[in-house]
Amino acid sequence: QLQLQESGPGLVKASETLSLTCTVSGGSISSRSYYWGWIRQSPGEGLEWIGSIYYTGSTYYNPSLKSRLTISVDTSQNQFSLKLRSVTAADRAVYYCARLGYFDVWSGDPYKWFDPWGQGTLVTVSS
Amino acid sequence: EIVLTQSPGTLSLSPGQRATLSCRASQSVSSNSLAWYQQQPGQAPRLLIFGASNRATGFPDRFSGSGSGTDFTLTITRLEPEDFAVYYCQQYGTSPLTFGGGTKVEIK
Repeated sequence: QLQLQESGPGLVKASETLSLTCTVSGGSISSRSYYWGWIRQSPGEGLEWIGSIYYTGSTYYNPSLKSRLTISVDTSQNQFSLKLRSVTAADRAVYYCARLGYFDVWSGDPYKWFDPWGQGTLVTVSS
Repeated sequence: EIVLTQSPGTLSLSPGQRATLSCRASQSVSSNSLAWYQQQPGQAPRLLIFGASNRATGFPDRFSGSGSGTDFTLTITRLEPEDFAVYYCQQYGTSPLTFGGGTKVEIK
């Protein structure tokens, strides 16, 4: 059974970089059939898609975060990571990683639903 | 970006009753690329419906999704105690992927 687990600091100072890693178990991140993604949830903003990555390193980002965002993949570790720079209080949220729905390489459409999700990790920003 | 508006914000019903949740998009969602999720307190969202009407593994047939274009509906025919939760819709037809604000189904 595929499982995803987020890890990283739960507290980040304002203006610094938020770094999280998602470890995938029970399946290979190098599968051609799936993208992998990050989503966050905050009381004020609800659920927000952050970005997605393929095992090749191909990425798609939410334009609202693109200027501060880097998502990368480490196939040797079966992990993918998130770096969000210059954080503010508005970045306080529960951060989830997830696998996206089946990716048809012939159609090339990377935008899908999310299933399954990791349990999430709360990141707080201190001033 | 496509804005998804869910209504009502809260639905107060009794077990055994029928729940009808709405998700309205600010523009047409291409190819019925709409999903629904169920979120229990303290847990991650769980995929319930994809492709507007395809039920995900593990959910019983009392859950159904319908709709197209800009109007989508999630129906729970007979509420069971475990169905009381928050439900979110998500569109994946156009980037950026977006979510609705959620509907809380609570016990009356």
